[in-house]
Amino acid sequence: DTAVSQTPKYLVTQMGNDKSIKCEQNLGHDTMYWYKQDSKKFLKIMFSYNNKELIINETVPNRFSPKSPDKAHLNLHINSLELGDSAVYFCASSQGLAVYTGELFFGEGSRLTVL
Amino acid sequence: AQSVTQLGSHVSVSEGALVLLRCNYSSSVPPYLFWYVQYPNQGLQLLLKYTTGATLVKGINGFEAEFKKSETSFHLTKPSAHMSDAAEYFCAVSGRSDSSGSARQLTFGSGTQLTVLP
Repeated sequence: DTAVSQTPKYLVTQMGNDKSIKCEQNLGHDTMYWYKQDSKKFLKIMFSYNNKELIINETVPNRFSPKSPDKAHLNLHINSLELGDSAVYFCASSQGLAVYTGELFFGEGSRLTVL
Repeated sequence: AQSVTQLGSHVSVSEGALVLLRCNYSSSVPPYLFWYVQYPNQGLQLLLKYTTGATLVKGINGFEAEFKKSETSFHLTKPSAHMSDAAEYFCAVSGRSDSSGSARQLTFGSGTQLTVLP
């Protein structure tokens, strides 16, 4: 059983389209995250939810909207995709805030390519 | 404010040689420090962490790191490299976000690609 699973793993789409990436964790964690990894491998946090409540909302275009229907799921919807949105998006989870435990559990990533 | 600098985006070592990956941090509060490893096409995995206490911390796969406050460093070492160690390594620090200001979070360095030569 995969602890943190993301779908789809690969996504190729045209500029201007809307797309979603889904994430589910079966670890019983109460905190989930979305990270963006660019082509230079730089990893930047986008959002974090704790018990379905948004606790971190970095400077991200409002075309990106996270949704957490329950503690085990955190989805990412992106409107009006742009070329610069091409990246690998990682979902992660932790029990409590990861800054204290460092125990972030990552999914395998979703590679988004915008043409 | 917090930041992490990893010196050397690519490091190559021979199998059996010492691995040294450098990490310097800046943090306005006492830091928690972490090393993560990313194998190809996979997510990141925690290697080791420093929160408080002993400054030399040991992690999985024979890696260890030493927190040196005076040097603001947290370098990762392994005495003898193995082919399976080839991966991307990320140093991370916790602290208050510049923009959110309301929750501590992890800030990652830009990563160091380790190549192990036969």
